[in-house]
Amino acid sequence: QPVLTQPPSSSASPGESARLTCTLPSDINVGSYNIYWYQQKPGSPPRYLLYYYSDSDKGQGSGVPSRFSGSKDASANTGILLISGLQSEDEADYYCMIWPSNAPLVFGGGTKLTVL
Amino acid sequence: QITLKESGPTLVKPTQTLTLTCTFSGFSLSTSGVGVGWIRQPPGKALEWLALIYWNDDKRYSPSLKSRLTITKDTSKNQVVLTMTNMDPVDTATYYCAHMSTIFGVAHFDYWGQGTLVTVSS
Repeated sequence: QPVLTQPPSSSASPGESARLTCTLPSDINVGSYNIYWYQQKPGSPPRYLLYYYSDSDKGQGSGVPSRFSGSKDASANTGILLISGLQSEDEADYYCMIWPSNAPLVFGGGTKLTVL
Repeated sequence: QITLKESGPTLVKPTQTLTLTCTFSGFSLSTSGVGVGWIRQPPGKALEWLALIYWNDDKRYSPSLKSRLTITKDTSKNQVVLTMTNMDPVDTATYYCAHMSTIFGVAHFDYWGQGTLVTVSS
């Protein structure tokens, strides 16, 4: 079962940008898969934010602001969630997810984002 | 409007079997491309995918838990049932069911239930 590595915590100030990463194991090429991102606030279920495959193949969840965006860093085999114009309401846990072909669906360990 | 709601026991004893029901509305599990999954989250920990059932009754399980899990659907009742055998205190978690949309290779959980906390203790 693949392991997706997310930093346990991240912080940024209001108005700044936050870059959250999701590193795939070396035997799974980030370029080959959709990376899905979820946001979870305390006491609530996760909320689907977006998926990213490429600049021409991506999708935003319903009602998700455009300041949430995805990308990939192929050199680091990493999926990225970028949150621009941080707001206090963005303070939450963020999870990435992939579903490789012929492999189980897996979530990352999550990153707790603090808006200072 | 799609809604899902989990129901089942809040407390189970070690070695018992857990049965959880996901009752949903706003979609049909006989519609092509639709699935319902179960995901759990131990207190203070990360999400863990458990199982998924598709409109065509195709079923997928987490390899680490496959021997303990069974997922079934009752399309007429708009319900999906998950059973997990041989419960252990480490299985204490909030259990979520979620609607999965699979369109053009994009498969994601877009609607979630509120979750139900299951505690395993003697």
